[in-house]
Amino acid sequence: GAGVSQSPSNKVTEKGKDVELRCDPISGHTALYWYRQSLGQGLEFLIYFQGNSAPDKSGLPSDRFSAERTGGSVSTLTIQRTQQEDSAVYLCASSSDLSDYNEQFFGPGTRLTVL
Amino acid sequence: KNEVEQSPQNLTAQEGEFITINCSYSVGISALHWLQQHPGGGIVSLFMLSSGKKKHGRLIATINIQEKHSSLHITASHPRDSAVYICAVPNFGNEKLTFGTGTRLTIIP
Repeated sequence: GAGVSQSPSNKVTEKGKDVELRCDPISGHTALYWYRQSLGQGLEFLIYFQGNSAPDKSGLPSDRFSAERTGGSVSTLTIQRTQQEDSAVYLCASSSDLSDYNEQFFGPGTRLTVL
Repeated sequence: KNEVEQSPQNLTAQEGEFITINCSYSVGISALHWLQQHPGGGIVSLFMLSSGKKKHGRLIATINIQEKHSSLHITASHPRDSAVYICAVPNFGNEKLTFGTGTRLTIIP
């Protein structure tokens, strides 16, 4: 079946521009996560959505970052007024149920380069 | 916050060697992920385990909940196993993951 998809796969933008990154989770998965991997660094959590609950935004690095999840499915991560330090691979993951801890399935990522 | 440490950071081995990568974490967890990241950047979940041992092909993952330690083993290693292997654990009370820094494995033919 279809896995998690993300678009675009690569995005090059100029400093100060806004960007939108899209994630399509696996159909039926109630939980969706955004992570970031900066060059030479490990993965870090950004935000997660679980069903209709308020999202956990505790990992967002600044108020320039926001995310929404429409209809409990597709999610968009928006970065306003991009800075060079925003350059990273942005990964989305989804999982099916949080009654017990469930496996997260990762998308291929969006590589963002801010010039 | 759960701290996650992996060792070694880099590992180079000859094809056929038995590989062990270690992961330690600081607080109690419900389950632990082992992930594989290939040079192109894509991440694949290898294992999720909460106790004992799991095996998939040449890969074996073990976890000791009391000692807060997990190991990933690769038997009969092959150059295609070359990748970064990442250990990840959920923070207590929610499922967002904290990641280790990864182990870069290179298998030489």
